[in-house]
Amino acid sequence: DAEITQSPRHKITETGRQVTLACHQTWNHNNMFWYRQDLGHGLRLIHYSYGVHDTNKGEVSDGYSVSRSNTEDLPLTLESAASSQTSVYFCASSESQNTGELFFGEGSRLTVL
Amino acid sequence: RKEVEQDPGPFNVPEGATVAFNCTYSNSASQSFFWYRQDCRKEPKLLMSVYSSGNEDGRFTAQLNRASQYISLLIRDSKLSDSATYLCVVNLIKAAGNKLTFGGGTRVLVKP
Repeated sequence: DAEITQSPRHKITETGRQVTLACHQTWNHNNMFWYRQDLGHGLRLIHYSYGVHDTNKGEVSDGYSVSRSNTEDLPLTLESAASSQTSVYFCASSESQNTGELFFGEGSRLTVL
Repeated sequence: RKEVEQDPGPFNVPEGATVAFNCTYSNSASQSFFWYRQDCRKEPKLLMSVYSSGNEDGRFTAQLNRASQYISLLIRDSKLSDSATYLCVVNLIKAAGNKLTFGGGTRVLVKP
C-alpha cells in the first residue's frame, strides 16, 4: 500500500543546532507540504512543493528550508533550531494542486531545549 | 480575525446523542470546504468534503452556508469512537494552486 512516512518521530535537540526532518511518500504525488501544529494555532503551512525542484514558502517559513530532488522526498531543515520551533510537524501530500484531500504522515514531535 | 475559526470545545456528548458544531471563515471567495478528523497524537484524516447542497455520510452531515460564511458538522447517534478533534478546512483556489487554511479544531468527547 502507498504511504507517507516521517522520521524521526520524536527528536530532542538544542538551540542553535541544525535539524532535518525526513518525509517520504510512495503515492507518487507531485504535491508535498510541511505543516506545524501548535495549540491555539491549528495547522500552519511552512513550505510546499508542486514538483521536483519546485519549492514555495508558506505562512510560517522563517527559519525553515526544504529541497525537492525527487518525487518521493521533501526533507524539512531547521538551519538553527530555536525554542519557538518546538512543535509537532506534519508532512502531507496530495494528488492535485486543487484538491482539499491531503494525506498526512504520522507527525514528528520536535523539542528544542 | 482568524481566517478560519472554530469553537475549541470540548463538546461533551452522551453516547447516542447528537452533536453539531460550526466553523466560520472570513474569505468570501473560498471555494471548497472539508472536515478532517484528528485523533489524539495522530495525523489528520479527511472525514468528508462539504458540498453546497449539504451532504451526508452515514451518521455525519455537513452543511455549507455561504451567505453567513460558515460550515457545520452534525454527528448523529454518537459513538465512543467519535471522540476526536474535528478540523475545518477552507480551500481558496488560486491560479498558482490552492490555499488550504485549517481551523484550530473542535474537540468532541463522547461519554458512556
